Amino acid sequence: DADVTQTPRNRITKTGKRIMLECSQTKGHDRMYWYRQDPGLGLRLIYYSFDVKDINKGEISDGYSVSRQAQAKFSLSLESAIPNQTALYFCATTPGGNYGYTFGSGTRLTVV
Amino acid sequence: GENVEQHPSTLSVQEGDSAVIKCTYSDSASNYFPWYKQELGKGPQLIIDIRSNVGEKKDQRIAVTLNKTAKHFSLHITETQPEDSAVYFCAAPRGNFNKFYFGSGTKLNVKP
Repeated sequence: DADVTQTPRNRITKTGKRIMLECSQTKGHDRMYWYRQDPGLGLRLIYYSFDVKDINKGEISDGYSVSRQAQAKFSLSLESAIPNQTALYFCATTPGGNYGYTFGSGTRLTVV
Repeated sequence: GENVEQHPSTLSVQEGDSAVIKCTYSDSASNYFPWYKQELGKGPQLIIDIRSNVGEKKDQRIAVTLNKTAKHFSLHITETQPEDSAVYFCAAPRGNFNKFYFGSGTKLNVKP
């Protein structure tokens, strides 16, 4: 099994619909992150969490919300999807300190 | 504004040649610089990182160099192989809490 699992892998949804992207990790880390990837823009931080009681906004949190259901689970929701939220979404985790991320395989979301 | 700039955006080399990707950062307090490789349809994977107390780090055919004075760090791939073809991202810390700025990516194509 992958260290970080994202579901679904692909999703097409209509404008105005609510959608949830899920992430679970088996690394045992407390720190989890949601990033969005657009062509030519690298990855941009949406939200991050250090434990179930700690949720923090990133640089592009508008239009998104998150839920940290357990240490291992961190979900991203789009309350009312719009076409410019079409992107590749990645969940990541890290042990903290000077260490990099372990990323999931991503969810490709298309809003039509 | 942009905190990490990455060049070039695309790089095509012949198998066996070397490839160099360069990044610059703006925060002189940054002390940890990871590099990620993203293959088609997959999430970014950490391939090498460097901490600010060293100027160079090698791992087989890949190396990273850091010039703290100039705020530059570079990824060097020697004896390139077709399986090195991917998109490579650099990253630099964004304040605290293991947040990162990511470069916009370099698409490396290794021609057989």
